[in-house]
Amino acid sequence: GQQLNQSPQSMFIQEGEDVSMNCTSSSIFNTWLWYKQDPGEGPVLLIALYKAGELTSNGRLTAQFGITRKDSFLNISASIPSDVGIYFCAGQLLTGNQFYFGTGTSLTVIP
Amino acid sequence: EAGVAQSPRYKIIEKRQSVAFWCNPISGHATLYWYQQILGQGPKLLIQFQNNGVVDDSQLPKDRFSAERLKGVDSTLKIQPAKLEDSAVYLCASSHPGGRLFFGSGTQLSVL
Repeated sequence: GQQLNQSPQSMFIQEGEDVSMNCTSSSIFNTWLWYKQDPGEGPVLLIALYKAGELTSNGRLTAQFGITRKDSFLNISASIPSDVGIYFCAGQLLTGNQFYFGTGTSLTVIP
Repeated sequence: EAGVAQSPRYKIIEKRQSVAFWCNPISGHATLYWYQQILGQGPKLLIQFQNNGVVDDSQLPKDRFSAERLKGVDSTLKIQPAKLEDSAVYLCASSHPGGRLFFGSGTQLSVL
């Protein structure tokens, strides 16, 4: 399967700080998705991106589809304790409907 | 709109036993996926269905795993016999073709 490299692997931040994470691949994707997963639950979709260069926001979250179509970025502004969880990127190849997932970024917000 | 339904939520079995998981996708979603998520890792695709046909099962360990989606709606994933390394969360997801992927809550499997 495809390998998506996500960084950083983990983050420990103070409440109110901004957060940035990214996802890179050696392959070109036509869709990028960002998910948040809480312990014991399935991933929940946060943002979907469909075009190179696209910038999309969902509340305090902003994600971008990289120009090269091989990467994507997620930013969280003014973090709060409920942002704690594991964030995954997922990419869909140009051919087929398969979605491949990154290795995850674990976010801890310190009140 | 109801989400992806999965059952059971938890299952504990001994190695060499068999186990089955059930999934009902979001109504109207033609594509159904089973993922395996080992602790500390991202979900790994096991099998993808388009209606009742298999699109991709290249990462399914076919000597012990099987899956079906007979009527193009709900699906079952079976492991027989289970091994210790099968301990993981099994996630079902569904989507429209080319659309966004939605997950169920998953089944947490512990093989002792």
